[in-house]
Amino acid sequence: AQSVTQPDIHITVSEGASLELRCNYSYGATPYLFWYVQSPGQGLQLLLKYFSGDTLVQGIKGFEAEFKRSQSSFNLRKPSVHWSDAAEYFCAVGEDNYGQNFVFGPGTRLSVLP
Amino acid sequence: EAGVAQSPRYKIIEKRQSVAFWCNPISGHATLYWYQQILGQGPKLLIQFQNNGVVDDSQLPKDRFSAERLKGVDSTLKIQPAKLEDSAVYLCASSQQPGPTGELFFGEGSRLTVL
Repeated sequence: AQSVTQPDIHITVSEGASLELRCNYSYGATPYLFWYVQSPGQGLQLLLKYFSGDTLVQGIKGFEAEFKRSQSSFNLRKPSVHWSDAAEYFCAVGEDNYGQNFVFGPGTRLSVLP
Repeated sequence: EAGVAQSPRYKIIEKRQSVAFWCNPISGHATLYWYQQILGQGPKLLIQFQNNGVVDDSQLPKDRFSAERLKGVDSTLKIQPAKLEDSAVYLCASSQQPGPTGELFFGEGSRLTVL
């Protein structure tokens, strides 16, 4: 079964600083990988996804993520954080079968200092 | 385009009472999911529908939870009787197609507090 770990429960960065959120997964085949963002009181919104091809994927709001098969990682990055990026970030892995199930990580809460 | 609608947004009940949550997916989305998100955790799938058929309900506690999707559009999730550990946000999501290539669109969730 798949599993997803996000080692950092809570990260605080200053506005304008760079950001990297870590995600590690456990899955036998090539996974489908996702990053979602959840603002307070809101549902989850897809930031970006990786299915195949170029291992560096670009997403919305200036985010990018890099798939590293050797490390079973899919870390999310942003070069310059904005105050509006403060939210909960979830990494997820999906498997390719009809009864598909996305497995979500526990999330990383991002706080942004002015 | 209207998003996924859920109601109620908030519900407080006492243990052993019942509660129902409603979800209206994005028009044309055949796949509908219910997730449970306990505070501090990621969403966990409860049930997945494809049109009005159940694809996966392996993690649904069937002794107290039930869900239906009549006519393949709206869906209702019911809990009866509720337990303290059911306190969570219940998220509904929909996608145009099943499988991981179908992007999930989430509603704002229904927050349940069981006292």
